[in-house]
Amino acid sequence: EPEVTQTPSHQVTQMGQEVILRCVPISNHLYFYWYRQILGQKVEFLVSFYNNEISEKSEIFDDQFSVERPDGSNFTLKIRSTKLEDSAMYFCASSAFGGEKLFFGSGTQLSVL
Amino acid sequence: RKEVEQDPGPFNVPEGATVAFNCTYSNSASQSFFWYRQDCRKEPKLLMSVYSSGNEDGRFTAQLNRASQYISLLIRDSKLSDSATYLCSYSGAGSYQLTFGKGTKLSVIP
Repeated sequence: EPEVTQTPSHQVTQMGQEVILRCVPISNHLYFYWYRQILGQKVEFLVSFYNNEISEKSEIFDDQFSVERPDGSNFTLKIRSTKLEDSAMYFCASSAFGGEKLFFGSGTQLSVL
Repeated sequence: RKEVEQDPGPFNVPEGATVAFNCTYSNSASQSFFWYRQDCRKEPKLLMSVYSSGNEDGRFTAQLNRASQYISLLIRDSKLSDSATYLCSYSGAGSYQLTFGKGTKLSVIP
């Protein structure tokens, strides 16, 4: 069964450092997303990406965040200067149709020290 | 008012029991609805879509009531493997963003 893959599974970084989280969406999907989940909290939308551009973003997705699809398979989330409050599980997701039946990767646990 | 409200539980039920969860949403323009399950510290996994006409997948039945703005999930003949947190979610018209509730925790006890 096709799946969304994410790397790394865990990332530990110092406050102020840049991190890049990587995702390989399901190959025939056209819509890509990043969500995050702080421990004990709900899953929160960050950004959606379609046709090589951002289609929607939340208030969380400020200037410190960026996304990129550098080639035909990878989809990345960059946090330029990490803060303590960025510590969370970051999930990548993809879907065949926008906002419909998202399939999530297993997540990257980001810890900012 | 919160966008999506769910009873956090936990719901502790014996194997074989029937259990129902409700979820209310505030955005009347919401278009598509879904139930996901999430195991501890894992990713959400799509359980089923929810339609006004109701839909059933094996032991699971989902229902949407647009007039009252709630969706429901019914699990029959609960199994130990059903223990998880169940998340309801929706996307709005013209939006790709899924909004999730905090989830309802279910523990099925032997």
